Order: sequence, then structure tokens, then C-alpha cells
Amino acid sequence: SAVISQKPSRDICQRGTSLTIQCQVDSQVTMMFWYRQQPGQSLTLIATANQGSEATYESGFVIDKFPISRPNLTFSTLTVSNMSPEDSSIYLCSVGPGTNTEAFFGQGTRLTVV
Amino acid sequence: AQSVAQPEDQVNVAEGNPLTVKCTYSVSGNPYLFWYVQYPNRGLQFLLKYITGDNLVKGSYGFEAEFNKSQTSFHLKKPSALVSDSALYFCAVRVPLSGSARQLTFGSGTQLTVLP
Repeated sequence: SAVISQKPSRDICQRGTSLTIQCQVDSQVTMMFWYRQQPGQSLTLIATANQGSEATYESGFVIDKFPISRPNLTFSTLTVSNMSPEDSSIYLCSVGPGTNTEAFFGQGTRLTVV
Repeated sequence: AQSVAQPEDQVNVAEGNPLTVKCTYSVSGNPYLFWYVQYPNRGLQFLLKYITGDNLVKGSYGFEAEFNKSQTSFHLKKPSALVSDSALYFCAVRVPLSGSARQLTFGSGTQLTVLP
């Protein structure tokens, strides 16, 4: 199993500003994933972060809006840039699933943009 | 492309009664299937998974699920519901041979409410 520490757990931000979310894993992992969960909705994958390479973004998400860093095998950050109220969501980082294992999730960051 | 459907947005059940939360999937290939639960203001917690083998899998907190390949379903069940089971439940799928992609595709979620 993997233990994932994600912070901040919540924040209220002004529109036009940026917020960086941190994700720390207690073991080395190749891939880390960032998801968005809009209010009352399911999880949507934003991007896959591999150590040593550029993140791979899903359709509808771009690097300028959601820059990701992956400096080592245990850590990643997601920045939500130039925020608007539409960015109000829960953002979750995840590792796995592995070959026969499940995915593990951080506790999430509840972002409110005002 | 893989997809997951949870046909019920809301399921209500009385405490002590059996509960079922439905999930169907669509994939090309053999799926890995998962159930997660999300309590308010919390991340996702793993409940159980089907990888291979016995179609009936048992997981945390007394939950179980049955993989039915012919019906492409993976319904979550519990014989006797507790009020503390009230939460948002997500079904998810991954196709193991989908290249380097290891991300999950999630269903829309089902809000389970257990009434005292």
C-alpha cells in the first residue's frame, strides 16, 4: 500500500491568483495522477506525472492552466493558475493502480475560488 | 475506450436491510474493476477489487461484489446496511493492457443513504 499526504486540505482563493497543491508519497512510484472532482461530479483525470519527463495531459486540460512538477519519485505538485470560480473543485492526487493492486488517493484539496 | 456506468445517482436503504449499488462497464479486453468510497470532505478509500479468479470478491467493512462477465456488471453488495455506510460510492475500471496508461476510469458515483 501507499500513504499519500496532500496539502493543503482546503483553501479559499481570489480569482486571478494561483494555488499550488503538494502530494507526497511514502514510497517511490513511477506514475502519479492528478484528478479533479467538480461539485457533485465524478473524478476526471487531469494529467499523468512521470518523474523526469513532461506531464501528459488529458483532453480539455492544458499545461499553462495546470502546470505540474515531478522532481523525484515521491513528490509532485499541481498548480491551478489564474483561477476562476469554475475551478472550484476537489483536486486529488493518486498513485497506481499497479499490476495487481489498487490505486491510492490523497485526502484531496477542496478549492473554492471567490 | 473504456467506460463505467452507475445507473443510480441515489440509493436509499433501511438500516439492517441488504444493499446493492450497481455498476456496469464497457471495455475491450479483460477489466480490472474497483470500488471506492468517499466520505464527506475525505479522499477516496479502497473497498475491493476484481483482478482475476473467483467472481465473488470480498472487501472492507463487510462489502462484497460479484463480477459478471456476461452482463458486464460488478455490483457492490452488503447483507446488512449500517447508517455509517452512508457515503458516495464509485466504481472504476482499468484495462491492464492499455499501453502505459494506468489511470482509472470512474463511474458517476452513487450516493448511498442508510436510514435508521
